[in-house]
Amino acid sequence: EVQLLESGGGLVQPGGSLRLSCAASGFTFSSYAMSWVRQAPGKGLEWVSGISGGGDYTYYTDSVKGRFTFSRDNSKNTLFLQMSSLRAEDTAVYYCAKARTYFDFWREDSWGQGTMVTVSS
Amino acid sequence: QSALTQPASVSASPGQSITISCTGTSSDVGGYNYVSWYQHHPGKAPKLMIYDVSDRPSGVSNRFSGSKSGNAASLTISGLQAEDEADYYCSSYTSSSTVIFGGGTKVTVL
Repeated sequence: EVQLLESGGGLVQPGGSLRLSCAASGFTFSSYAMSWVRQAPGKGLEWVSGISGGGDYTYYTDSVKGRFTFSRDNSKNTLFLQMSSLRAEDTAVYYCAKARTYFDFWREDSWGQGTMVTVSS
Repeated sequence: QSALTQPASVSASPGQSITISCTGTSSDVGGYNYVSWYQHHPGKAPKLMIYDVSDRPSGVSNRFSGSKSGNAASLTISGLQAEDEADYYCSSYTSSSTVIFGGGTKVTVL
């Protein structure tokens, strides 16, 4: 059974940094692309970033480019989202999600329960 | 880039059918057969219901079906059941190598 467990969320001041992690199990981690998707309070889903199975290709939505870095450690079956220069509008539940194949981060067939990030002074 | 356009809400009685539309542009929905639909019960993990416009993952009921015409995609739920009450989101791959979601549709079973 696929399991994805996000951690690292919390309260951070504007301009601060936070690193989210996502521990994966139940599948051959390095064979699948992964994504981060967020949902601000009372809002819809928003795709944040995607990464290929090997970690050699990463993609970001415009609003986080240059501020967020998506990486993975395939030896530890773990994803990381390093977030810096955080803004109030980054406040959201952050979900990690597994794609259906090595590269297709636009088809997410398993999701974690999410971790809450609150950016506020 | 603006979100894909979905109706805010749709409602129907049990047993009826509903269709949720998802309108984009030629740079996303119209340009690729990479439209997905997700079901999201608040507080839970989203669930993939349809991918590549009309394919269903294993385990998803055949009451759920998807289609596309031009820049618009649709999700149809037939034989509506109480457990179908949830938020539904479409998403599409884009020409910028990113993913764009719709604003979401709240489905209410009367």
